[in-house]
Amino acid sequence: DTAVSQTPKYLVTQMGNDKSIKCEQNLGHDTMYWYKQDSKKFLKIMFSYNNKELIINETVPNRFSPKSPDKAHLNLHINSLELGDSAVYFCASSQVGDYYTFGSGTRLTVV
Amino acid sequence: GNSVTRMEGPVTLSEEAFLTINCTYTATGYPSLFWYVQYPGEGLQLLLKATKADDKGSNKGFEATYRKETTSFHLEKGSVQVSDSAVYFCALSGSGSEKLVFGKGTKLTVNP
Repeated sequence: DTAVSQTPKYLVTQMGNDKSIKCEQNLGHDTMYWYKQDSKKFLKIMFSYNNKELIINETVPNRFSPKSPDKAHLNLHINSLELGDSAVYFCASSQVGDYYTFGSGTRLTVV
Repeated sequence: GNSVTRMEGPVTLSEEAFLTINCTYTATGYPSLFWYVQYPGEGLQLLLKATKADDKGSNKGFEATYRKETTSFHLEKGSVQVSDSAVYFCALSGSGSEKLVFGKGTKLTVNP
């Protein structure tokens, strides 16, 4: 019944590795997002896709590459992980102009 | 661009105390305003919203009124419970914008 599901929930990896986080929504929403939450709980949007098309791409290093195979999925791939990438990453979805539904987050720790 | 400023936190209260968490915003046009709540170890959940001036959003005893004259959307609850302990986020979505902009979260701790 989970509306927005992210996997994995926890991810611990070494610097320099490449990793992916997956997100799926079963709400029929047209738009999906990735947000990054830092250690001070500040949330910042990274990317947004509408019907598989990229519509928001904030100032994010190009080591981060989103991919939307269909409108129900938005995955985030990160190359050459750095210590500063450690954060909680949240996926969300919405219909245009409506509120967002968030996943439970992926806690990424780079060591 | 659009932005949201919340009151400095964290906030610690005793059970049954009155809660106010301030939020002011900067935006062009007529944004929609939201409060989200994040319980420990969980994702964000919509708490309430208001889409036009003078609208009052309410849920679970929490209220916030969209004040265009003061560009504010302060969150209030008359009597907090221990279970309200969480991080609260004010957010806005600009008219025609697909992007939800968050203020910094305010951590609320309610002691028995």
